[in-house]
Amino acid sequence: AQSVAQPEDQVNVAEGNPLTVKCTYSVSGNPYLFWYVQYPNRGLQFLLKYITGDNLVKGSYGFEAEFNKSQTSFHLKKPSALVSDSALYFCAVRDIGGGYQKVTFGIGTKLQVIP
Amino acid sequence: NAGVTQTPKFQVLKTGQSMTLQCAQDMNHNSMYWYRQDPGMGLRLIYYSASEGTTDKGEVPNGYNVSRLNKREFSLRLESAAPSQTSVYFCASTAPWASGSGLGEQYFGPGTRLTVT
Repeated sequence: AQSVAQPEDQVNVAEGNPLTVKCTYSVSGNPYLFWYVQYPNRGLQFLLKYITGDNLVKGSYGFEAEFNKSQTSFHLKKPSALVSDSALYFCAVRDIGGGYQKVTFGIGTKLQVIP
Repeated sequence: NAGVTQTPKFQVLKTGQSMTLQCAQDMNHNSMYWYRQDPGMGLRLIYYSASEGTTDKGEVPNGYNVSRLNKREFSLRLESAAPSQTSVYFCASTAPWASGSGLGEQYFGPGTRLTVT
């Protein structure tokens, strides 16, 4: 069974500082990995994905994520946080090998950027 | 291009009442999904439809039914609402992968906030 862990319920960072939101995963085969952001009272929005290729993936709004196969991690990063980045962030994994194209989501990490 | 739309945005039901949540997408996606979001539990898949004419159960299907009316529309029905179904419900559709197998990112609707008293 595939799973995703987001070990931090909340991450606080000062505006202008770099941010990291952590994600680790478990799948039986090769993973497809995704990050989504959810603003209050809105649906989830896709940020970026890793399928294959470069371990550093760049996405929307200046976010990037680093895939580390040995550590089974896919941490979300941004060099300089903005107050407008404050939101709920979800990591998700899809097992390439599974016939059922199921996506498993983490429980989410609340990012608070402090002015 | 509206993306994924959901109706209603809010609903309050009494225990035992029934209702249908509507979802439509205008992106010509094959796969559509219904999730529920509860605090501390992330998103859990209720049902999904890999293509028009097919539906399958997800992690938490009990108490729900779905209909894939056509390629655009995927509805979720609560036949007899229970307080445990108080949640925020999201519909999503999947962008086709390069190979057309539907393994891409998901596009979400704005959600329906349902309260069952």
